[in-house]
Amino acid sequence: AQSVSQHNHHVILSEAASLELGCNYSYGGTVNLFWYVQYPGQHLQLLLKYFSGDPLVKGIKGFEAEFIKSKFSFNLRKPSVQWSDTAEYFCAVTSYGGSQGNLIFGKGTKLSVKP
Amino acid sequence: NAGVTQTPKFRILKIGQSMTLQCTQDMNHNYMYWYRQDPGMGLKLIYYSVGAGITDKGEVPNGYNVSRSTTEDFPLRLELAAPSQTSVYFCASSYSFQGGYEQYFGPGTRLTVT
Repeated sequence: AQSVSQHNHHVILSEAASLELGCNYSYGGTVNLFWYVQYPGQHLQLLLKYFSGDPLVKGIKGFEAEFIKSKFSFNLRKPSVQWSDTAEYFCAVTSYGGSQGNLIFGKGTKLSVKP
Repeated sequence: NAGVTQTPKFRILKIGQSMTLQCTQDMNHNYMYWYRQDPGMGLKLIYYSVGAGITDKGEVPNGYNVSRSTTEDFPLRLELAAPSQTSVYFCASSYSFQGGYEQYFGPGTRLTVT
């Protein structure tokens, strides 16, 4: 069965620090990859997505992610975080084909940014 | 365009009671989903629907039922509430199931069963 692993449960950074959140998935076929963000008390919003093409994808609010197929990874990065980036971040994967394709979510990484 | 709306926002149930969580989308999406979110566990798919009249089980369907009589609405029913169903419930919709199109999420319903 497919699964998604997010390496860090809680990350604490100071403003202006660089961010990298790890995400690995287990599925050998073609995948679509997503990062969602959930600000405190709000619903999930899409940060960025990878379907095909350039493995470096850029999303909203200065976030980017790199798909490395050989490593089954889709890490999220931001060069300089802000206090407003405090949120929970979820990596998700879906697959082409098969009888049941749906979004499989990782357990999430909580990011706290200190002002 | 309201997107995905859910009611109620909060609810407290006693063990054994029943309730329906409402979900409506106005984007004409064929695909709709119900998830539950528990602390530190991410989101788990309860049920999904690929169109009016068609539903299927997700990863954690036990204790829940759904129906899809219209494209817009996808209610989730809890028949005999149990403490294990205390969670935050999110409804989502998308244009397509296969191909992994973006899912749009509602604001959630926080349910407590005591």
